[in-house]
Amino acid sequence: GEDVEQSLFLSVREGDSSVINCTYTDSSSTYLYWYKQEPGAGLQLLTYIFSNMDMKQDQRLTVLLNKKDKHLSLRIADTQTGDSAIYFCAVPVGGSQGNLIFGKGTKLSVKP
Amino acid sequence: GAGVSQSPSNKVTEKGKDVELRCDPISGHTALYWYRQSLGQGLEFLIYFQGNSAPDKSGLPSDRFSAERTGGSVSTLTIQRTQQEDSAVYLCASSFDWTQYFGPGTRLLVL
Repeated sequence: GEDVEQSLFLSVREGDSSVINCTYTDSSSTYLYWYKQEPGAGLQLLTYIFSNMDMKQDQRLTVLLNKKDKHLSLRIADTQTGDSAIYFCAVPVGGSQGNLIFGKGTKLSVKP
Repeated sequence: GAGVSQSPSNKVTEKGKDVELRCDPISGHTALYWYRQSLGQGLEFLIYFQGNSAPDKSGLPSDRFSAERTGGSVSTLTIQRTQQEDSAVYLCASSFDWTQYFGPGTRLLVL
């Protein structure tokens, strides 16, 4: 079945760039998502990319998609302490609208 | 407009009791999803409703879990005879197209 893998932890200094990586197995995925979860809160949709794109930029966020390697990354420029959270990569099962398969999440810690 | 809302935000129950968790999706969203987030387990899909189609129940962990969606809007997730391993955050999401928007979750603790 579909599998989504992420590294569990990332620590950066304030002002540096953060890069969170994700690999997935289902090549039919259409949209691929990044969600952010702050402590005690629900999941906030951060950004997404359509599978026919290889890059999407939204202010401090850059999403890169390598379909050949089934690799997705999220880059946060000028990381701030408020960016400290867990970041989840998610892809739809079977590429169709339906339930999402989530990675286990990457906990980003930003040190002042 | 309003986002996805869930109630209660926290629920403490005793082992063996039944619980009902409620989800109010974003108005106009045709699809509704339930997920469970357990410590160390990540997010686990439970059930998916799309319009008037039969729900996809493939993620329900046991027959103690059931869900319904009335009038294509509000959904209730019911857990019967709760067990301690049911303790988790239960998240609801809704969507109109591909993108799912999540509620704040219900934190369930089974003692």
